[in-house]
Amino acid sequence: DTEVTQTPKHLVMGMTNKKSLKCEQHMGHRAMYWYKQKAKKPPELMFVYSYEKLSINESVPSRFSPECPNSSLLNLHLHALQPEDSALYLCASRTGPSSYNEQFFGPGTRLTVL
Amino acid sequence: ELKVEQNPLFLSMQEGKNYTIYCNYSTTSDRLYWYRQDPGKSLESLFVLLSNGAVKQEGRLMASLDTKARLSTLHITAAVHDLSATYFCAVDIQVTSYDKVIFGPGTSLSVIP
Repeated sequence: DTEVTQTPKHLVMGMTNKKSLKCEQHMGHRAMYWYKQKAKKPPELMFVYSYEKLSINESVPSRFSPECPNSSLLNLHLHALQPEDSALYLCASRTGPSSYNEQFFGPGTRLTVL
Repeated sequence: ELKVEQNPLFLSMQEGKNYTIYCNYSTTSDRLYWYRQDPGKSLESLFVLLSNGAVKQEGRLMASLDTKARLSTLHITAAVHDLSATYFCAVDIQVTSYDKVIFGPGTSLSVIP
């Protein structure tokens, strides 16, 4: 199994809703990442998890809350989002946080905040 | 400051023509990626270049890496409409104890008949 899966593919939510994005990989990778990509822009790193611990938070607002319950699963909990948070959210994983192996991206979740 | 630059940012080319997209980066890196992205879709990995002088080819696309010049190129041969997409280069850098992928701004390619 050499893929990263993400659910849901699409999500529409109101500014008062609470929702979660899910990312899963079964490659034994110990580093997992969340990226945000706005239209016509490159992906921007949000969070890095290394061995299930949060290593890096790139100054992301607290309305985004990551969670790594186990080595295969990464969640992104969303609460009180703003319309400008609408974007494609990409998950990625690699063998380790500092490795000579490629980073693999998931298919992404297209989020729309109304 | 770490920068990854691409040139051009927008490219409109005729079918059958050749062209090169350039990617410059400002810091030492052990790995450079080229990705393709279609509108509304995720990133598709095209090439991973690991060493100086590396050259990889897939179909009408060929990528090369010059680590001394901190330059990578993506060459398109005899373009076809199906190549229309946004192409990103990205560089792996080490920040403290972890690796971080930094993306260039992307090159929006449009191949016209």
